[in-house]
Amino acid sequence: IAGITQAPTSQILAAGRRMTLRCTQDMRHNAMYWYRQDLGLGLRLIHYSNTAGTTGKGEVPDGYSVSRANTDDFPLTLASAVPSQTSVYFCASSDETSGGPQTQYFGPGTRLTVL
Amino acid sequence: SQQGEEDPQALSIQEGENATMNCSYKTSINNLQWYRQNSGRGLVHLILIRSNEREKHSGRLRVTLDTSKKSSSLLITASRAADTASYFCATDSSASKIIFGSGTRLSIRP
Repeated sequence: IAGITQAPTSQILAAGRRMTLRCTQDMRHNAMYWYRQDLGLGLRLIHYSNTAGTTGKGEVPDGYSVSRANTDDFPLTLASAVPSQTSVYFCASSDETSGGPQTQYFGPGTRLTVL
Repeated sequence: SQQGEEDPQALSIQEGENATMNCSYKTSINNLQWYRQNSGRGLVHLILIRSNEREKHSGRLRVTLDTSKKSSSLLITASRAADTASYFCATDSSASKIIFGSGTRLSIRP
């Protein structure tokens, strides 16, 4: 593994189904993030985690949950998917231990379609 | 709500020309970053400028920051086909996590 990986690459999901998007990083970054990217709206922060064991809500958290059991993994769960959650989802990480700027490193994204 | 807004939304130029993209933001920031996104890929960090800096260079990239006008510009000189991508500014403040703008789609015509 080099950097950040996401799985699956793409998924078509029936409305009402539960789905977990996986994200793993090998850079030992303390902070991790989940964004959704929709046409014309840029990236919007869903949830974040400053360190293992802690999580926080971003701009658009409703309908999503996250967990951070360890440093490397940050899964995003849709408990009951709805069509408005059709989007491209990006996971990112950053090293914020030094207190410096939050340069983020992004995964390749997961394209999710909810029918 | 978006902190950073890029202008223009889309830009098409001839290969070899310079490309300029602008970003405006609303509240005080600690630093501003520019990212590039190739089609179907994740974002890649290009350059960071701190709030006490006015200009920064990296290869063919030149970034300026005017905190009095709450704006930044990204200049790509001598554009190449490989520069075709979307470009996003991202602002970092004490009050919030990084906030991304909606991006400028840059197309380089051969």
